[in-house]
Amino acid sequence: NAGVMQNPRHLVRRRGQEARLRCSPMKGHSHVYWYRQLPEEGLKFMVYLQKENIIDESGMPKERFSAEFPKEGPSILRIQQVVRGDSAAYFCASSPPLSEQFFGPGTRLTVL
Amino acid sequence: AQTVTQSQPEMSVQEAETVTLSCTYDTSENNYYLFWYKQPPSRQMILVIRQEAYKQQNATENRFSVNFQKAAKSFSLKISDSQLGDTAMYFCASLIIQGAQKLVFGQGTRLTINP
Repeated sequence: NAGVMQNPRHLVRRRGQEARLRCSPMKGHSHVYWYRQLPEEGLKFMVYLQKENIIDESGMPKERFSAEFPKEGPSILRIQQVVRGDSAAYFCASSPPLSEQFFGPGTRLTVL
Repeated sequence: AQTVTQSQPEMSVQEAETVTLSCTYDTSENNYYLFWYKQPPSRQMILVIRQEAYKQQNATENRFSVNFQKAAKSFSLKISDSQLGDTAMYFCASLIIQGAQKLVFGQGTRLTINP
């Protein structure tokens, strides 16, 4: 059973471009979470999704950020018009209902 | 609101020594889990140990054990017979069982095991 997959592992964008981060949950997991880790800080919750539904997006910035978890395919975290402050490691985790979360290896986003 | 606080930014011990990492948390809920995660230089988040709040017995996983003091809202991690491979950032986290299911992390403790 493969773990949580994230791609790309590293992503470089110039200011103003779009970043798309992908997350494939573990087999059988219907819940996906996105976290952001700024340098030298802990992970901060961004959004919690189930298939085709956003359950809690209280940690998402109001503008430029969006997330989806379609019926088929991976979950996508999309950042439009990236700025230098978006540079961070973005982690995806998945879980069955009411159970511990398993983390992917993260995507390190660098905005030039 | 949930908060998790780790008051030790860095710690350093010699190999084979025992080290304890501190964590305090705050929540108004009764039903929650507490976790310690390890983040080595690879940045992968690795679950070290888990404690259910309703369990009085402290969780243990091989060389790793916790001291869970529910009334004091304290959740420290003890690493016995420390090894070089234990060098990493360690994060304490809480999760409320009902509702949003989001993990709330502390700021982390950078642990270095010296040879």
